[in-house]
Amino acid sequence: NAGVTQTPKFRVLKTGQSMTLLCAQDMNHEYMYWYRQDPGMGLRLIHYSVGEGTTAKGEVPDGYNVSRLKKQNFLLGLESAAPSQTSVYFCASSYSFERERHEQYFGPGTRLTVT
Amino acid sequence: SQQGEEDPQALSIQEGENATMNCSYKTSINNLQWYRQNSGRGLVHLILIRSNEREKHSGRLRVTLDTSKKSSSLLITASRAADTASYFCATDGRGSTLGRLYFGRGTQLTVWP
Repeated sequence: NAGVTQTPKFRVLKTGQSMTLLCAQDMNHEYMYWYRQDPGMGLRLIHYSVGEGTTAKGEVPDGYNVSRLKKQNFLLGLESAAPSQTSVYFCASSYSFERERHEQYFGPGTRLTVT
Repeated sequence: SQQGEEDPQALSIQEGENATMNCSYKTSINNLQWYRQNSGRGLVHLILIRSNEREKHSGRLRVTLDTSKKSSSLLITASRAADTASYFCATDGRGSTLGRLYFGRGTQLTVWP
């Protein structure tokens, strides 16, 4: 099993450009999450999904959109990138709460720089 | 905010010594988890302790939880250079069924050979 994979690993954008980050998991997890990690800030939740076709806002959703058309994929979009979105982005997945398996599995991250 | 806060922010020890990291949180929880992050990598789950448990062991890891003080500690015994990483505590919210976790800012552990 590959676990959680993220594409791309690195990206440099100019202000105003758009891009989509792809997350894929092969563990049949119901829940998926997008976080950003900035120095000294820990991980902050951007958006999350509790199932195919559902999404919800997290702690810092502004400037981002997400979609979960397939259970195994969770896409994070930046419509008009800003320098404040320079960060490392992590995707994670987990089983549903009812399965009593609460640990999250993380991807390797995408390092995004917006100039 | 339910965010956990780790203490200390940074810890530097010699191989063979024990490392203790603390986490405090603000609201009631179902469970508390600890994660490790090696430089440039994603987080890896280490251990979960439920709100009705007081202590849990996994190999060289020992986690304690004091819900009355809203605090937890992670002890790594006989540390190795390979334990060098950032360690994060993560809490959920009691009654929450959404799987959301709230992460602290982490403790950077450096183990010198």
